[in-house]
Order: sequence, then structure tokens, then C-alpha cells
Amino acid sequence: NAGVTQTPKFQVLKTGQSMTLQCAQDMNHNSMYWYRQDPGMGLRLIYYSASEGTTDKGEVPNGYNVSRLNKREFSLRLESAAPSQTSVYFCASQKGTDTTGELFFGEGSRLTVL
Amino acid sequence: EDQVTQSPEALRLQEGESSSLNCSYTVSGLRGLFWYRQDPGKGPEFLFTLYSAGEEKEKERLKATLTKKESFLHITAPKPEDSATYLCATNSNSGYALNFGKGTSLLVTP
Repeated sequence: NAGVTQTPKFQVLKTGQSMTLQCAQDMNHNSMYWYRQDPGMGLRLIYYSASEGTTDKGEVPNGYNVSRLNKREFSLRLESAAPSQTSVYFCASQKGTDTTGELFFGEGSRLTVL
Repeated sequence: EDQVTQSPEALRLQEGESSSLNCSYTVSGLRGLFWYRQDPGKGPEFLFTLYSAGEEKEKERLKATLTKKESFLHITAPKPEDSATYLCATNSNSGYALNFGKGTSLLVTP
């Protein structure tokens, strides 16, 4: 099993460009999450989806949009990238729909915005 | 507002030198406290979940304990391969998903 797969692993953007980070899980989990990790800030929740067809904002949603395409896939879109969005992005999945229980993380997508 | 504070920020141990990492938390209705290990360039890897004060869990050289205000991750006779960042996170009634601390970076030297 691959678990949680994120693409791309690395990306460099110029300010104002757009891009989509893709995430897929093969564990038949219901909930999926996007976090960002910055030095000295820890992991911060951007958006989450407790079940297929629902999405909700986390702690730092500004500048991002998400799509829960189906049960397996949850994408994160930056419409107009800014240098402040330079970060490592992690997708995670969780078995339940009540946002409790352990998360399983992907390997991360490293984004640099110039 | 839920808060998770980990200490120390960084810890350097000699191989075989046991120690503990601390995770202090303030939450409204704890639904679970989680420990993760994160290696450089990788995603966090789940280690333990603790649900109630007094609970303990062990895995190889690691033992996690929980009180009403903090959790400890005890590392017994560590080896260089235990070097990683250890993350603590809480799940509570007032939040969603997991709320993470900033982590403790552990380096074990031969």
C-alpha cells in the first residue's frame, strides 16, 4: 500500500502564479487534511474534509482553496501564490468522519514562491 | 484556545543516555493525545495515542505517559537511529483534527 501520496514533491513558483497540490490515499479513509509546516511554527491546519463532499476551513485558510474530488483525492489550490506561502505542505488522512483518531501523513510537497 | 507546548526545543544525548521529552497541554475536553516522529524531509509518522490520565504505551525504547496536564515521551538507552523530531498533538472537543506542538529535535550521538 502506498498510503498517502502527494504530488509534486518540489515546486518553485513566481509570485502571482497558480498551482494545485494533489493528494490521494488508498486506505479508504473518510477524512483528509492539508497542513503547512514552517520553521518555528509547527504544523498548522489549512483545510480539512471530514467526508466526501464536505470541506471546512482550518487555522490558516487564506489564500488557499480545496476540492474533495472523491473519497480518495483531496487537492489544495493556490490561486495567486505569495512568498508567505513558501512552506512544506502535508496531506493527511484519517479513518473516521468525526475528526478524532490518528492521522496518516504523506511525504510532503516543498513549495518555494519567489 | 487549545495550546500544546513541547520542551525542550532541542535535546542532544549520548547513545545509551536515557531522557524524557515533555508535552504540556491546555485543552477543553481531551479526546486524545498523540505522539509522532518526523525524520528530515519526511512526513510525521504515528507513534502513540493516549486517551486518559494514567495511561502508558510502549514501543521498543519509547514509552509515552499521560497526566491531566502533560505527557512525557521517555526514551530508554537511545540509539543514533532514534534521532528525529518528536511531535506532540492533541484532539479536543473545541477543535478539529489535531493541534500540534512545535516539536523536540532529538540528536543521539554514538
